Amino acid sequence: ETGVTQTPRHLVMGMTNKKSLKCEQHLGHNAMYWYKQSAKKPLELMFVYNFKEQTENNSVPSRFSPECPNSSHLFLHLHTLQPEDSALYLCASSQEPGGRALDEQYFGPGTRLTVT
Amino acid sequence: KQEVTQIPAALSVPEGENLVLNCSFTDSAIYNLQWFRQDPGKGLTSLLLIQSSQREQTSGRLNASLDKSSGRSTLYIAASQPGDSATYLCAVKGGAGSYQLTFGKGTKLSVIP
Repeated sequence: ETGVTQTPRHLVMGMTNKKSLKCEQHLGHNAMYWYKQSAKKPLELMFVYNFKEQTENNSVPSRFSPECPNSSHLFLHLHTLQPEDSALYLCASSQEPGGRALDEQYFGPGTRLTVT
Repeated sequence: KQEVTQIPAALSVPEGENLVLNCSFTDSAIYNLQWFRQDPGKGLTSLLLIQSSQREQTSGRLNASLDKSSGRSTLYIAASQPGDSATYLCAVKGGAGSYQLTFGKGTKLSVIP
């Protein structure tokens, strides 16, 4: 266990559904991240939150909406997704982002999302 | 834009063999480099983190080296075991003006009993 939990672990949704992914970290970290992992592609950073403030949005479509109510919790709200959004969505946390060389990211187990 | 390449994409070895996984990156202005392990359908487990000022890190049977100036890292696994079978990911922090991690596509390792 890395101290980062994600729920649900698997999710199947239709293109008209609305669902949310949840991530919780128990490490006392201040930064949290959403990544997308598609088949045969490298992990892609989606969003970064530092001290609850969004500091990076990697040109992610608006059908993905993140929310960070506090430094321990991170949500990804999903609506009107497309089949190509099917992927493994990974959450990670670190002490804080930025240029600190020792800043190590810890990952959760991921949510396997299938859009039908 | 920082780019990370891992070679080979897949590797199959008999149990007990020593092996090397390769990682290269295009922008040498990095803060650190991490090697991760990912089991099928699971999240990432951090194996080793090398700071930009370091040349190598060791943990058990794993040894990672970093040559920042040439943009290369290797992960050496000694006396491989079937339990080492997984996908190994290399990620660099920084480069091209970014503070974030850039990942390679990974090397899928199979250790045959």
